[in-house]
Amino acid sequence: GDSVTQMEGPVTLSEEAFLTINCTYTATGYPSLFWYVQYPGEGLQLLLKATKADDKGSNKGFEATYRKETTSFHLEKGSVQVSDSAVYFCALRYTGNQFYFGTGTSLTVIP
Amino acid sequence: SAVISQKPSRDICQRGTSLTIQCQVDSQVTMMFWYRQQPGQSLTLIATANQGSEATYESGFVIDKFPISRPNLTFSTLTVSNMSPEDSSIYLCSVASGGALNEQFFGPGTRLTVL
Repeated sequence: GDSVTQMEGPVTLSEEAFLTINCTYTATGYPSLFWYVQYPGEGLQLLLKATKADDKGSNKGFEATYRKETTSFHLEKGSVQVSDSAVYFCALRYTGNQFYFGTGTSLTVIP
Repeated sequence: SAVISQKPSRDICQRGTSLTIQCQVDSQVTMMFWYRQQPGQSLTLIATANQGSEATYESGFVIDKFPISRPNLTFSTLTVSNMSPEDSSIYLCSVASGGALNEQFFGPGTRLTVL
């Protein structure tokens, strides 16, 4: 069945370090791919998305590219800030249907 | 985008009681969902709340335990019935909106602790 596998956390980085959170998926068709972020004490927020192969989603300095050949959607940021500390969820979805979420990766950025 | 509010934001309940969680959306939406996020885990879909008909439940979730109402296109409730400590979780309301229903927005969640 459809599923999402995320890099396990927690991840701790120093401010201005490079971030990669790996995400791979298993799907029978061509889903849309998403990254959601959950800041402490808050609900999930959409960070970025990509709807087809080779699309790059980007927002707030974060990027992820939909790689069909490797079934991946890795999240990257060139220089993290303390305010990026949160839990990040990779997810896939077919239009009109439910989401499949990864288990989440907790990121802590220290000054 | 859709703005979603949930009530209550948190509650502490006794074993065997029931709690009803409300979800209000600022616009009419076709699809509303209820998720559970257990401590340290990812989100699990409980059910799709259908307007004018019974909710569609995912495997492992039943109507007697999680009755859902959807009286109109902007409101839904989820009841957690006969609670036990294992029901301690964050419950999230979500809606699908946007072009081809490809955007999904989440409420702030209801943090439930069952003693």
